[in-house]
Amino acid sequence: DTEVTQTPKHLVMGMTNKKSLKCEQHMGHRAMYWYKQKAKKPPELMFVYSYEKLSINESVPSRFSPECPNSSLLNLHLHALQPEDSALYLCASSQGPVQETQYFGPGTRLLVL
Amino acid sequence: SQQGEEDPQALSIQEGENATMNCSYKTSINNLQWYRQNSGRGLVHLILIRSNEREKHSGRLRVTLDTSKKSSSLLITASRAADTASYFCATDAGADGLTFGKGTHLIIQP
Repeated sequence: DTEVTQTPKHLVMGMTNKKSLKCEQHMGHRAMYWYKQKAKKPPELMFVYSYEKLSINESVPSRFSPECPNSSLLNLHLHALQPEDSALYLCASSQGPVQETQYFGPGTRLLVL
Repeated sequence: SQQGEEDPQALSIQEGENATMNCSYKTSINNLQWYRQNSGRGLVHLILIRSNEREKHSGRLRVTLDTSKKSSSLLITASRAADTASYFCATDAGADGLTFGKGTHLIIQP
């Protein structure tokens, strides 16, 4: 199984809502990532989990809160988002550190009203 | 900050022609990767070339790496309509996450 799954595919939320994005992989990968991608722009790294520990937080606002419950799951909790947070959120995983191929999920398209 | 910069930003060619995209980067790298993204979907890994390699092939793809010029190129031969997508180079630069270039949007005209 070389698939990374993400749910939901689409999400519309108001600025006062709390929601969560979910990501799952069953490839035994020990590194998992969240990226944010705005339209017509490249993905930008948000968080890196390595062996279930947060190793990189690219100065992301606290309204984004990552969680890695186990080695197969990665969540991104959203609270009090702003309209400018609307984007495609991509999850990825790799066997080990970043110097390896990353496998991406299809993404969650988020719209904040 | 953007590590990789691709050019051209957009490229439109006829089916069957070859497509060449270039990527430049600024700092030393361990490897450079190329990814494809179809219309707002997830990225698909195409090829990884390590800093001690100069050329790599995978099917219709050919990647070159020139570390002295800090540049790489991706050649797609005998293009097909299904190759229409955005192509990104990505570097690690020793960090824990990939840094992507701005991408080249490739359109294959049937």
